[in-house]
Amino acid sequence: GDSVTQMEGPVTLSEEAFLTINCTYTATGYPSLFWYVQYPGEGLQLLLKATKADDKGSNKGFEATYRKETTSFHLEKGSVQVSDSAVYFCALSEGDDMRFGAGTRLTVKP
Amino acid sequence: NAGVTQTPKFQVLKTGQSMTLQCAQDMNHEYMSWYRQDPGMGLRLIHYSVGAGITDQGEVPNGYNVSRSTTEDFPLRLLSAAPSQTSVYFCASSTGGRNTEAFFGQGTRLTVV
Repeated sequence: GDSVTQMEGPVTLSEEAFLTINCTYTATGYPSLFWYVQYPGEGLQLLLKATKADDKGSNKGFEATYRKETTSFHLEKGSVQVSDSAVYFCALSEGDDMRFGAGTRLTVKP
Repeated sequence: NAGVTQTPKFQVLKTGQSMTLQCAQDMNHEYMSWYRQDPGMGLRLIHYSVGAGITDQGEVPNGYNVSRSTTEDFPLRLLSAAPSQTSVYFCASSTGGRNTEAFFGQGTRLTVV
């Protein structure tokens, strides 16, 4: 079945450092790919998405490119801020339901 | 803009007790789902519904029941709570389909003692 594998955390960075969180997926067809973010005490909210190969999703300085050849959707940000501290989830959808990775906790220190 | 509303936010149950977690959305979404979030395991799908009167099982349905009598509401019932059901539960809704964003409630933190 479909599945998502994320790099294990936690990840701790200093402010203004470069961020990469790896995500790879297994799917039988052509899924859409998503990154969700969960701030402390809150539900998940969509950060960005890409619906077909070579699409780049971007939002709030975060980017991820849908790579079909490597079945990957890595999340990147050039300069993280303290306010980016959260848990990040990679997810895929081939139909109505969505499958999530285990989540990666990011802590950014001033 | 209420979005997806879950109640209660916190709950402590004794083993064997039953309870219902409430979920309501005001976006007229056809698709609704329940997930549980456990450390190191991400979100796992419990049950989902593609419209009023239609429900189906997800990855981890045992010990849980759902019904969907209206488009707006999708309650999750724990029939006889067990410590293994200690978790954070999230309800989500969307218009359905592979490209659509899921909207999440704020979660219910359930502890079974």
